[in-house]
Amino acid sequence: EPEVTQTPSHQVTQMGQEVILRCVPISNHLYFYWYRQILGQKVEFLVSFYNNEISEKSEIFDDQFSVERPDGSNFTLKIRSTKLEDSAMYFCASSELGEKLFFGSGTQLSVL
Amino acid sequence: DQQVKQNSPSLSVQEGRISILNCDYTNSMFDYFLWYKKYPAEGPTFLISISSIKDKNEDGRFTVFLNKSAKHLSLHIVPSQPGDSAVYFCAASYAGGTSYGKLTFGQGTILTVHP
Repeated sequence: EPEVTQTPSHQVTQMGQEVILRCVPISNHLYFYWYRQILGQKVEFLVSFYNNEISEKSEIFDDQFSVERPDGSNFTLKIRSTKLEDSAMYFCASSELGEKLFFGSGTQLSVL
Repeated sequence: DQQVKQNSPSLSVQEGRISILNCDYTNSMFDYFLWYKKYPAEGPTFLISISSIKDKNEDGRFTVFLNKSAKHLSLHIVPSQPGDSAVYFCAASYAGGTSYGKLTFGQGTILTVHP
């Protein structure tokens, strides 16, 4: 069964450093997303991406965040200058038609 | 953000019995609802969904009921199996404009099915 693949599974970084989280969505999907879950909190929407541009972004997704689909298979989330409060599990998701989302296993980001 | 609420943090059920997980929402714009299951160290896995034009959707052991007037939905698992033990998330979205796929999640309910 096709699946969304995320790398790395764990990322530890120092505050102020840049991190790039990588995702390979399901191949025939057209909609791509990033969500995150801070420990003990809800899964929350960050950004949606369709037709090579951001469709919608949440208040969390400020200028420190960016997304890119550099080629036909990868979808990345970049955090330019990480803060302690960016520590969370980051989930990539993709969808064929924008309704049912398929999630990856997540990247646990720890900012020290 | 309390637009989607799962008021029961946990539920314990005997194998073979019915599990009923509940979810309430406040935003009347929501028109599509989903249930996801999550195991530790994995991402949420899609279980079942329902559009607001329906009040019931069934898939094998899983049935979702939607009561729009009460802004309430529930997931029934019959019969429950130990492998169903996981965190269950309710999520909602609306198809308006660019919001497609922007899911609002509940807090999750930990289901434990005892053999």
